[in-house]
Amino acid sequence: QSVLTQPPSVSGAPGQRVTISCTGSSSNIGAGYDVHWYQQLPGTAPKLLIYANNNRPSGVPDRFSGSKSGTSASLAILGLQAEDEADYYCQCYDSSVSEVFGGGTKVTVL
Amino acid sequence: QVQLQESGPGLVKSSETLSLTCSVSGDSIGTADWSWIRQPAGKGLEWVGRIYTRVSTESNPSLKSRVTMSVDMSKNQLFLRLSSVTAADTAVYYCARDHAICVSGICYDAFDVWGQGTLVTVSS
Repeated sequence: QSVLTQPPSVSGAPGQRVTISCTGSSSNIGAGYDVHWYQQLPGTAPKLLIYANNNRPSGVPDRFSGSKSGTSASLAILGLQAEDEADYYCQCYDSSVSEVFGGGTKVTVL
Repeated sequence: QVQLQESGPGLVKSSETLSLTCSVSGDSIGTADWSWIRQPAGKGLEWVGRIYTRVSTESNPSLKSRVTMSVDMSKNQLFLRLSSVTAADTAVYYCARDHAICVSGICYDAFDVWGQGTLVTVSS
């Protein structure tokens, strides 16, 4: 069981908005550590999508956005596209176990 | 452009030691921290450990006693050794740059560049 909890799957039609939650605790997200998000397309390595809660690396479309509040964080995808079908992982530092990832969420475009 | 390439035996016998190399191009390994992350087939990501300031290391507590990490500055390579492996260690192993990304004078560490990964299977 992952230290950070994500829903196993979310789905949406093209053009819709989907959100992925990442729930932690007082030893990680709630302690003020930054949350990062990674996108893993099928058969490829993960790619940094959002860093430090709500910042996009160069080249990441602005339809991806992140937020953080209390012991949770969220990733939102606006205007869902077929190419967004992938696994998404949140990641944070934890004062007890160091770096931790969420269990991952599979996004399906209907 | 920074590129990372993992290499090593794809098959390791149970109870033996897994040894992997990560070759870095486009950046000096002395300028960043570097992590190893693994992913069993069909499962999520698990952080294995990090090497920083070229010699200091930090490992996942669940693996700590079995993990050894090192670098070769002259070859710009990172090394991972995982001892006493079992079937549970079968996974794709990634090396990743643990890099400070700075915005408006504030810097944040994230895994910003990843290798393509290498599959290691532990056989009995």
